[in-house]
Amino acid sequence: DIQLTQSPSFLSASVGDRVTITCRASQGISSYLAWYQQKPGKAPKLLIYAASTLQSGVPSRFSGSGSGTEFTLTISSLQPEDFATYYCQQLNSYPRFGPGTKVDIK
Amino acid sequence: QLQLQESGPGLVKPSETLSLTCTVSGGSISSSSYYWGWIRQPPGKGLEWIGSIYYSGSTYYNPSLKSRVTISVDTSKNQFSLKLSSVTAADTAVYYCARKITYYYDSSGYPTFDYWGQGTLVTVSS
Repeated sequence: DIQLTQSPSFLSASVGDRVTITCRASQGISSYLAWYQQKPGKAPKLLIYAASTLQSGVPSRFSGSGSGTEFTLTISSLQPEDFATYYCQQLNSYPRFGPGTKVDIK
Repeated sequence: QLQLQESGPGLVKPSETLSLTCTVSGGSISSSSYYWGWIRQPPGKGLEWIGSIYYSGSTYYNPSLKSRVTISVDTSKNQFSLKLSSVTAADTAVYYCARKITYYYDSSGYPTFDYWGQGTLVTVSS
């Protein structure tokens, strides 16, 4: 059973900051990882799949990297609309989500 | 533009069966390219995948819920449905339906959920 952890759980940042969120898998999952953004009261929105491929329409300030057990989501310059909770999801075995990282305004 | 819409009772009594339907519009549920899934989120908590179905009726479920879950598809109505039996307060959650697509390159397939419904809150209470 593959477990995902995310760090940090909570992040306080300012507009324009570079933000990095880490997702770790309990065993290797190759590149079978996706990242989602969720705002309060809304459904998750796909940002990145296959660990590093940007979903169509997602701003280029979002990027993903990693393979195996360690992955990162980077927002190069945080914008006001980016304050949200971010989840990683592994799809190597049955789909499973990480616990989430909430990005809040400093 | 593909749209998914969940529907069903917002209140279910403990020990009864939760039933939800997802109606797909703007595309065919019978496409061979996709699976269709249910995901839930208890209030203030994280996301949990429940299960997925192919248009042919092939299913796979989260092992932790498998004994209580049934997902079915009605291609004539472009809908798929969720039944969760013997519910308790722990099943109170926002339930989402979503489309699972697999992107292929480098001889590998990379699945992900790309379209989601808006979600529907189901409360389990007497």
